[in-house]
Amino acid sequence: DTAVSQTPKYLVTQMGNDKSIKCEQNLGHDTMYWYKQDSKKFLKIMFSYNNKELIINETVPNRFSPKSPDKAHLNLHINSLELGDSAVYFCASSQVSGVNTEAFFGQGTRLTVV
Amino acid sequence: GENVEQHPSTLSVQEGDSAVIKCTYSDSASNYFPWYKQELGKGPQLIIDIRSNVGEKKDQRIAVTLNKTAKHFSLHITETQPEDSAVYFCAANPSGGYQKVTFGTGTKLQVIP
Repeated sequence: DTAVSQTPKYLVTQMGNDKSIKCEQNLGHDTMYWYKQDSKKFLKIMFSYNNKELIINETVPNRFSPKSPDKAHLNLHINSLELGDSAVYFCASSQVSGVNTEAFFGQGTRLTVV
Repeated sequence: GENVEQHPSTLSVQEGDSAVIKCTYSDSASNYFPWYKQELGKGPQLIIDIRSNVGEKKDQRIAVTLNKTAKHFSLHITETQPEDSAVYFCAANPSGGYQKVTFGTGTKLQVIP
């Protein structure tokens, strides 16, 4: 059983299109995240949701909109895609209860904008 | 906010040798320091972590040390094997949950057979 699964694994699309990446976790965690990893492997947090509530919203263009229908899902919708959006996007989850705990990452979605 | 620096960015070692990766952090409120290993085509995976009330932690061939005064922590891998080849990330997080974790810039470790 995959703990954190995200789809699709690869996404190639043209500039200006709108696309979504889906993420689901079956660990019962209360917090989910979206990270962006650029070509230099830098990992930067984009969003964090705790019990469906937005906790962190880093400096991300408002073309990126996360949606959490329930604790087990956090989807990422991107409008008007740009070349610079090309990267690997990782979903992650953890259980936050006052003590820092391990984050579990999905396999990543490689987004290529052409 | 927190700033985590990680060195070196690339590291090549002969199989069987040791590898050391060093990180420094800026926020004295950080009290949780995980290390992640990212293999090609996969997401990062936790390999070891340390909390600020501990100076050293070991798990088989992997050990992590923490110097709170100097605000630096290190990952030590002994008897390296080809399967240790990956990108390693350090991270720092203040108390109160995972939400504010800051990752280092990553170290690409290559173990040469």
